[in-house]
Formats: sequence, C-alpha cells, structure tokens
Amino acid sequence: GIQVEQSPPDLILQEGANSTLRCNFSDSVNNLQWFHQNPWGQLINLFYIPSGTKQNGRLSATTVATERYSLLYISSSQTTDSGVYFCAGPRNSGNTPLVFGKGTRLSVIA
Amino acid sequence: EAGVAQSPRYKIIEKRQSVAFWCNPISGHATLYWYQQILGQGPKLLIQFQNNGVVDDSQLPKDRFSAERLKGVDSTLKIQPAKLEDSAVYLCASSYGGSTEAFFGQGTRLTVV
Repeated sequence: GIQVEQSPPDLILQEGANSTLRCNFSDSVNNLQWFHQNPWGQLINLFYIPSGTKQNGRLSATTVATERYSLLYISSSQTTDSGVYFCAGPRNSGNTPLVFGKGTRLSVIA
Repeated sequence: EAGVAQSPRYKIIEKRQSVAFWCNPISGHATLYWYQQILGQGPKLLIQFQNNGVVDDSQLPKDRFSAERLKGVDSTLKIQPAKLEDSAVYLCASSYGGSTEAFFGQGTRLTVV
C-alpha cells in the first residue's frame, strides 16, 4: 500500500498570509482527500480530489496523480484556520481504506 | 443530511477495564471504518466493514479489540482489557458504495489511567 508524507510538519502564519501545504505519495494515487482536524478532534472534509484542481473559498487543492503529490493552498489565512491538516489516499485501488500522513499543524496568529 | 454519529465523546477508564464505543454511519453508506488516532499521528485503520461483513481487520489487535456491525448499519468497537497504550481518539467513518470518499464522526477520546 501507499505511504504518505506531509510537509511542513509545523507552520506558523500571521493572519492574512498565504500558505502551501504539500503531500507526497509513494505511488500514483487517485481520489485523494484533504481534511482539517479542528481543536475538538473532528476531521472536517475539505476536498475530495481525484485529480486536477478544486477551489472552495480561500482554499484550493491541486493533485498531480502521475507525479504523486498534492498541494493545499490557503489564502488570506484566519485564526479559525488553525488546526492540523491531513491528506489521505486509498491504500490500494478499489474500495480500500485511507492511509493518512502525519499532518501539518498550522497556527495562525492575529 | 445527518453526519456520522459517535458516542460517547469522552471516556476515562482504568487499565484492565473494558470499554465500548458506538457509531452510526451516514444513512445509505455501506462501508464503515474504525480508525485509531494516537496523539501527534494520523489516523490508522483498525477495521473496515462492507454492510455487515468484515473486509479488513488485519490491523485490529484481536486479543483485546473486537468490533461488530450487526444488521449492516451501526457498529460497536470494544476493548477488553484496556492498556495504557490504548489511550487515543477512536474515529468512525463511512463511505458510500464503491467510493473511497470517507466522512468522519466527532470521535471518542479514550484515556486509560
């Protein structure tokens, strides 16, 4: 099955700044997901992105499956963006469980 | 549409005691997962159900963990007896049919003392 690496592990931003989080996979991956884990521990779905680019407000994500990476962009960051961001991809093809990276801990300070 | 429901939200038990967690997936989602998330790490799969059958339990410590999904809807995860290293957040997730897009519940934070 795939392995997932996320970078950077920690990131501190001033409110209003932009950032890019990266996710590398050990093998070609489809149907990647990005999550935000809030301070109460819940995983909030951000993107389900088979390939290409998706945008939702200040957030956007790009996956290049053939090059085995995905990027999450956060623009004009807000303090409510703080938390841990995870990417995850299916272990194998088909209906298989997600394999997660270790996450990027983002702190946005006012 | 209601999300994945889990209970309890928090649980503190002594080592060697038993504990059970409950999960109700999103209506119509055939696939149900239990993940364990230890502090500072990403979630790791414990078990995957498709309807009421087990698809993957290769990472479930079967000497102390058990799970069931009777009638193919809600599920229960049990730990007996608990160890200190079982302290973690237990997350339930579900997905629809053949999709891998998973939706997570709020989790149960277990502390074993």
